[in-house]
Amino acid sequence: EVQLLESGGGLVQPGGSLRLSCAASGFTFSSNAMYWVRQAPGKGLEWVSSIGGSGDSTHYGDPGKGRFTISRDNSKNTLFLQMTSLRAEDTAIYYCVKGMYSGSDWWFDFWGRGTLVTVSS
Amino acid sequence: EIVLTQSPATLSLSPGERATLSCRASQSVSSSLGWYQQKPGQAPRLLIYDASNRATGIPARFSGSGSGTDFTLTISSLEPEDFAVYYCQHRSNWPITFGQGTRLEIK
Repeated sequence: EVQLLESGGGLVQPGGSLRLSCAASGFTFSSNAMYWVRQAPGKGLEWVSSIGGSGDSTHYGDPGKGRFTISRDNSKNTLFLQMTSLRAEDTAIYYCVKGMYSGSDWWFDFWGRGTLVTVSS
Repeated sequence: EIVLTQSPATLSLSPGERATLSCRASQSVSSSLGWYQQKPGQAPRLLIYDASNRATGIPARFSGSGSGTDFTLTISSLEPEDFAVYYCQHRSNWPITFGQGTRLEIK
């Protein structure tokens, strides 16, 4: 059974930093691209960042460019998101997402329950 | 950046009716389009990928169609558990974007 368990969210002041973690199990972690997707309260879904299975390929959405860093430890089946210079608009539930390769594209086929990040003074 | 526009914003239907949700891309995404369902308080769930392929465990009443810039998610006969918010998403290039969502509510 696939499981994704996020942790590390919480209340942080503007300008602060947080490191999110996602512990994965139930699949071959190193074979799958992984993603972070966020959802602000009452709003839609926003892709944050992606990382390839070996960790050598990363991509970022505009909100996180230069401030967020995605990484993974395949020996520990864990995905990370280091967030710095946090702003009020970063307040959201952050979902860890497993990728599924269809033969042509990677899709978001399993989502964790999310961890809430609140940026406020 | 590819903008995905979903319509309608809200769709009010009754159980047993047919639902048709639309997603239009600002430029061609070929068949690189997926659909997700999100119920209140839950994480999203993948329904359709590559425009028309059902994800594992998704009932046959869900179907996807389209290519290029115009896509449709059809639910052939609504069940009570289908009332939720639906998002489309493209994987054509970077950045990955989602549509703003269609809320399917009980009439």
